[in-house]
Amino acid sequence: NAGVMQNPRHLVRRRGQEARLRCSPMKGHSHVYWYRQLPEEGLKFMVYLQKENIIDESGMPKERFSAEFPKEGPSILRIQQVVRGDSAAYFCASSPLAAKNTGELFFGEGSRLTVL
Amino acid sequence: DAKTTQPNSMESNEEEPVHLPCNHSTISGTDYIHWYRQLPSQGPEYVIHGLTSNVNNRMASLAIAEDRKSSTLILHRATLRDAAVYYCILIIQGAQKLVFGQGTRLTINP
Repeated sequence: NAGVMQNPRHLVRRRGQEARLRCSPMKGHSHVYWYRQLPEEGLKFMVYLQKENIIDESGMPKERFSAEFPKEGPSILRIQQVVRGDSAAYFCASSPLAAKNTGELFFGEGSRLTVL
Repeated sequence: DAKTTQPNSMESNEEEPVHLPCNHSTISGTDYIHWYRQLPSQGPEYVIHGLTSNVNNRMASLAIAEDRKSSTLILHRATLRDAAVYYCILIIQGAQKLVFGQGTRLTINP
């Protein structure tokens, strides 16, 4: 059973370009979470999605960031018009149930975005 | 969110037990205590969780104080691969997400 797969593992973008980060949850998992980790800082919650629904986006910046988890295919975190401050590791996690019920999230290895 | 307090860093020696403390004095009766760890350049990894009773699994043990205001993650025999940041997290009833604090950076000396 493959774990949570994130790609690309490393992405370099110039200021103003778009970044798309993909996350394939573990098989059978319908709950996806995105976290951001700035260099030398802790993990910050961004968004929680179930299939086709955004459940909690309280950690998402108001502009330029969006997330989706379509019925088919991976979850996508999209960052438009990237700025240097977006440089970070973005981690995706999945679970078969909501965190409130199990607390056990399975994390991917992250996508490291560098903005030049 | 109920707050947890952990030491910023700890150091131990290889093959010795490690006790990682966590204070959560504002914990409420139905909050679960979870521990995750993050190895260098990797995503977080679930370690263990509990509610009231002590818990054991293949990775670690979790000792929960009787009043639940603190807990201790116990690594029985640390290896170099246990060097990581360890996060103590409370899952609040009804919460939709894990909220990570700063954690404890554990260094293991050979």
